[in-house]
This record gives sequence, C-alpha cells and structure tokens, in this order.
Amino acid sequence: AAGVIQSPRHLIKEKRETATLKCYPIPRHDTVYWYQQGPGQDPQFLISFYEKMQSDKGSIPDRFSAQQFSDYHSELNMSSLELGDSALYFCASSRSVVLGAGNTIYFGEGSWLTVV
Amino acid sequence: AQSVTQLGSHVSVSEGALVLLRCNYSSSVPPYLFWYVQYPNQGLQLLLKYTTGATLVKGINGFEAEFKKSETSFHLTKPSAHMSDAAEYFCAVRGSNTGKLIFGQGTTLQVKP
Repeated sequence: AAGVIQSPRHLIKEKRETATLKCYPIPRHDTVYWYQQGPGQDPQFLISFYEKMQSDKGSIPDRFSAQQFSDYHSELNMSSLELGDSALYFCASSRSVVLGAGNTIYFGEGSWLTVV
Repeated sequence: AQSVTQLGSHVSVSEGALVLLRCNYSSSVPPYLFWYVQYPNQGLQLLLKYTTGATLVKGINGFEAEFKKSETSFHLTKPSAHMSDAAEYFCAVRGSNTGKLIFGQGTTLQVKP
C-alpha cells in the first residue's frame, strides 16, 4: 500500500539558509500534518492542513511556513535556519478526522535536517 | 488540554518475558489514544489505537493495550518479548475532532538475549 512520501530524506544546510521539505500524502487523504522531532525528543506538532486550508497550529516558529497544494501535497518552508532547527521532520496524513473521528494518521519516514 | 506521561524512559526485558510499557493521559475531552513504534532512523509506525468501543485493543506484532478510564491509563503489553521489539515506543493522545497528536516522552525498550 502507498505510504506518505517525504523528500528529501536528508538535508544539510548552513545557518541562515532556507530549506524546503515536501510531503506527498497517501492517495485520497485530505489532511496533512507536520511534526518536528529533535534529538532524543518526542515529536512536536507544528501545523496541519485540511483541504488546503490551515486546520490547526502548534509550536511552529514564525520563520517557518507551510501550505497544502491542490494535489494535496504539502511543503514546509524554513528560513533563517538556526542550529536548533536540526531535527527529524515528519509529515503525516489522514482522511479528515472531523468527518471521521477514528481515521488513522499515518506518518512518513521523515526528513533529516542538519543545520551547520 | 491534553497531555501524556510515559513512566520509565528505558525498559529492559529478557527475550520471552512480558513487556509492559506504561502510559497515563490527561484529557478534558474523551481521548483517542495511540501507541506508535519508532525503530532507529525510521518513521513512526502505528501499533494500535483506541477510539471508541472495546477498551482492550489488539495491534500488530502481538501488542495490545487496555483503555482504563478510571485510571486514565493506556498501558501497552506483549506476553513474550522478541529481539525485534527493541525500539522507541510513543504513547499519544488526541481529541475526536482534531488530528493534533500529543506525544509522551517515549520509552526505549531493550530486549536482552
């Protein structure tokens, strides 16, 4: 079965640079979520989109932005990168949990961002 | 507001022994509860979930968990540990109308031969 696809899997950037992560949800999933997992930490919710509209917002820095496109893929844009942004970034997808409360959220393999 | 507490950041068991990973939650709304497993350098894989209905839920790889509302707990168990179970385990909670998962701090399971 198709899973959540994230690219790139690994990314190395210098401080103050910009990075873009991409996420392709499971087919027919209309909701996308972004999480950040620092080294040895639990995943922290950043932001989510349902039908291309922001549906929830967590601890996403102002330097970060995200959007969901008409084909439901999503991109997380990170600017003015800091050393502390080094983390594993997960994208997840699901069918609407508003329309189907029990819908399962599936995670991608993650994108490793290293800021040097 | 919701939160999750996983008791024990590291659990070590012998192969073939019972696995018990503890999770307690706090939620102002009826909780939906999840256990995810993360193998080294990999993503999060859903082991099992509780939404509504039967409070004892069975998941993949022989794991199960029981939702106990009176104890606000959702402990994960497996009767007999296998070496391949060594991984990081995360308990998570969300409300019924949101996909925002709140994760616990994680428990590293070590399985000794």
